[in-house]
Amino acid sequence: AQRVTQPEKLLSVFKGAPVELKCNYSYSGSPELFWYVQYSRQRLQLLLRHISRESIKGFTADLNKGETSFHLKKPFAQEEDSAMYYCALDDDSNYQLIWGAGTKLIIKP
Amino acid sequence: DAGVIQSPRHEVTEMGQEVTLRCKPISGHNSLFWYRQTMMRGLELLIYFNNNVPIDDSGMPEDRFSAKMPNASFSTLKIQPSEPRDSAVYFCASSFEVSGELFFGEGSRLTVL
Repeated sequence: AQRVTQPEKLLSVFKGAPVELKCNYSYSGSPELFWYVQYSRQRLQLLLRHISRESIKGFTADLNKGETSFHLKKPFAQEEDSAMYYCALDDDSNYQLIWGAGTKLIIKP
Repeated sequence: DAGVIQSPRHEVTEMGQEVTLRCKPISGHNSLFWYRQTMMRGLELLIYFNNNVPIDDSGMPEDRFSAKMPNASFSTLKIQPSEPRDSAVYFCASSFEVSGELFFGEGSRLTVL
């Protein structure tokens, strides 16, 4: 069955430190993967998708099919990055995204 | 476009009362989703509409929950009677066709006492 795993419920790093939010998926085909972000008391919004291969707010994510991972990275964390981050998979055979449980990222000053 | 609009933003009600949450999707989007978010269970898909037709309501917890989409610009999620365990943030999201890029509303935070 398709599944998205975010192993860390909470990740706390100091400002300026590198950040890596982990996302692993199980899917037999060619997945389309997304990272969504939810700042405090705000709406969920798309951060980036793997097919665009772009950097948003300094974040990048590379799809590693061998490791079935789509980790989100940023070299230097900023306080405004504190938020809830969700990894999601669109398996194309279904109409709904498969969501990870989310990781709460806290950037300490 | 103002994005997906939900109302009310906050609702506090007593157990047994009827709750109606409203959603206006982005104009031109033909897919609409209702999600529930809780600390314990994360994001749960409740129901999905495509072209105003409910396609899958298997995520609706029980008969106390119902959803309608009378036209392309409006949807409601109703809980009757409400129970304390229904307390959560309810999100509406829309997209153009079946797409992984969802546009979410700001959510309706429901507290049932």
